[in-house]
Amino acid sequence: SYVLTQPPSVSVAPGQTARITCGGNNIGSKSVHWYQQKPGQAPVLVVYDDSDRPSGIPERFSGSNSGNTATLTISRVEAGDEADYYCQVWDSSSVHVVFGGGTKLTVL
Amino acid sequence: QVQLVESGGGVVQPGRSLRLSCAASGFTFSSYGMHWVRQAPGKGLEWVAVIWYDGSNKYYADSVKGRFTISRDNSKNTLYLQMNSLRAEDTAVYYCGMVGGDHAFDIWGQGTMVTVSS
Repeated sequence: SYVLTQPPSVSVAPGQTARITCGGNNIGSKSVHWYQQKPGQAPVLVVYDDSDRPSGIPERFSGSNSGNTATLTISRVEAGDEADYYCQVWDSSSVHVVFGGGTKLTVL
Repeated sequence: QVQLVESGGGVVQPGRSLRLSCAASGFTFSSYGMHWVRQAPGKGLEWVAVIWYDGSNKYYADSVKGRFTISRDNSKNTLYLQMNSLRAEDTAVYYCGMVGGDHAFDIWGQGTMVTVSS
């Protein structure tokens, strides 16, 4: 089955740029989606189809995907960005949704 | 507005059954594929099952295959998850989700907690 690998944690100072990676075999050939989840809340879609943003999501959130790694980039990080972030793909070969293990973003 | 509301969670003994519901509003329910996703306490997101917009296809995670059944009633704008032979490891918050193109979860419900314990 397809596996997505994320770093357990990323730390960044306010105003700096956070990069959260999502590794998978030839992930560049798939569409990657990213979710933000704050404690006690449901996930929220922040980037879809590698690099598109839903309405209402700040431009500070961006994404890229190539080769074996997809990346969520959060520019000018704010305290309110502190959350867990998950990447996700649709694996058409197994007809399954696959989530990465999640990355806890800490704003120092 | 677009909304998904889950219900039916609770505390259940191992081996027993439970049925979750997800009521949809604010969009054309019958046009969208729907999923169940769960999250064990302190853990990450785990996909559970998907059903096509018309109910024609259903797929399950290996961890629940043969025990859980996903279904939908488009006349009632409602998604279901029938959970049988429940185990302690099924303890989680269960979310329903509406997906758009390429199975991105555009909308999530607030979740319903299922606790399997004797």
